[in-house]
Amino acid sequence: NAGVTQTPKFQVLKTGQSMTLQCAQDMNHEYMSWYRQDPGMGLRLIHYSVGAGITDQGEVPNGYNVSRSTTEDFPLRLLSAAPSQTSVYFCASSYDREFGYTFGSGTRLTVV
Amino acid sequence: GENVEQHPSTLSVQEGDSAVIKCTYSDSASNYFPWYKQELGKGPQLIIDIRSNVGEKKDQRIAVTLNKTAKHFSLHITETQPEDSAVYFCAASNRNNDMRFGAGTRLTVKP
Repeated sequence: NAGVTQTPKFQVLKTGQSMTLQCAQDMNHEYMSWYRQDPGMGLRLIHYSVGAGITDQGEVPNGYNVSRSTTEDFPLRLLSAAPSQTSVYFCASSYDREFGYTFGSGTRLTVV
Repeated sequence: GENVEQHPSTLSVQEGDSAVIKCTYSDSASNYFPWYKQELGKGPQLIIDIRSNVGEKKDQRIAVTLNKTAKHFSLHITETQPEDSAVYFCAASNRNNDMRFGAGTRLTVKP
């Protein structure tokens, strides 16, 4: 039982490049979300999904896209990377918003 | 939307002492309040949670209290140990609103 798996663990991008952060869970959780963590700012919600085929924006969605074609996978796409997107990204899953989240181990992204 | 404030941002205690972290929230509809512990290089991990119909919950050395009238909740760690050193986050949510997190408290337990 792997829980929430994120890949890659580390990534360096050049400004303007695009990439996809992968997230997969094996707990059959309906709810999945992406957060970014910056020093002194806690965890800020980027996008979330309440089930396959359904996604919505969080607090800081600009510059990111998501899709949810299966219950297990919830990839996060950076369309055109900017230095302001340098951060640690966490994927989380849960039964729903009123239950504890299981987090992945994170992806540390640097945009130069 | 929901706004969660957390204090203090850093906390240093001697091993064996107690530690208290406090959070306030703004949305009176919030009814689920979890606490997460994040160790260096890892993702946050749920350590305890409380729902709005409960005023206090304990799990061994950790406890959480909730005051719905004042919209604040607190994490209490007793008999602290060096392995309790980490960053702790509080959060608030309800069925219709996504979980919002406090900015975090870096707890250091000195041996």
